[in-house]
Amino acid sequence: GAVVSQHPSWVICKSGTSVKIECRSLDFQATTMFWYRQFPKQSLMLMATSNEGSKATYEQGVEKDKFLINHASLTLSTLTVTSAHPEDSSFYICSARVTATTYEQYFGPGTRLTVT
Amino acid sequence: DAKTTQPTSMDCAEGRAANLPCNHSTISGNEYVYWYRQIHSQGPQYIIHGLKNNETNEMASLIITEDRKSSTLILPHATLRDTAVYYCIVGGANSKLTFGKGITLSVRP
Repeated sequence: GAVVSQHPSWVICKSGTSVKIECRSLDFQATTMFWYRQFPKQSLMLMATSNEGSKATYEQGVEKDKFLINHASLTLSTLTVTSAHPEDSSFYICSARVTATTYEQYFGPGTRLTVT
Repeated sequence: DAKTTQPTSMDCAEGRAANLPCNHSTISGNEYVYWYRQIHSQGPQYIIHGLKNNETNEMASLIITEDRKSSTLILPHATLRDTAVYYCIVGGANSKLTFGKGITLSVRP
């Protein structure tokens, strides 16, 4: 149980275009989802926290107009990288928490974004 | 500001126990100790968490010192598939996870 999927697993796009990444909880409803970014040989950095039906909370230094997050249902959150540039190339990972009272987060397999 | 400190790396022989230490001397009374691991190019995987008491599940055991300033994750019989970066994270029950650099465990044949 507690499986989180991401789509696509990898994507290559041209500079200036937008890319949407989906995160789905397959066998549970997630009240809260998180989006992380990981550059090569570095640790995960939290970008934003999203709760179903409300606006995402972004970490300091993360541009909310560039990284659009939508959490329209209890099983789906999307991250859209708008006007992508090469420096946005990274490994994007989502996670989901089952309820507000559970402690563990379940992570997706990640999406490798390459902007050319 | 890091809440936990871990060695950079360690290795162990396949089949032996892997004991991964973590220091969290500034942990507060309502904060938990979480352990996650990340195998190369995959999303992190939850392992275990604890507050005060030692915990055990099918993956590992977590030993927390009485003063709660440090803990040890124990993989009782390490396999090659346990080679990964292991993250020790301290946080409240509903808090976001802040990942440090973790410890790279290499299991050798």
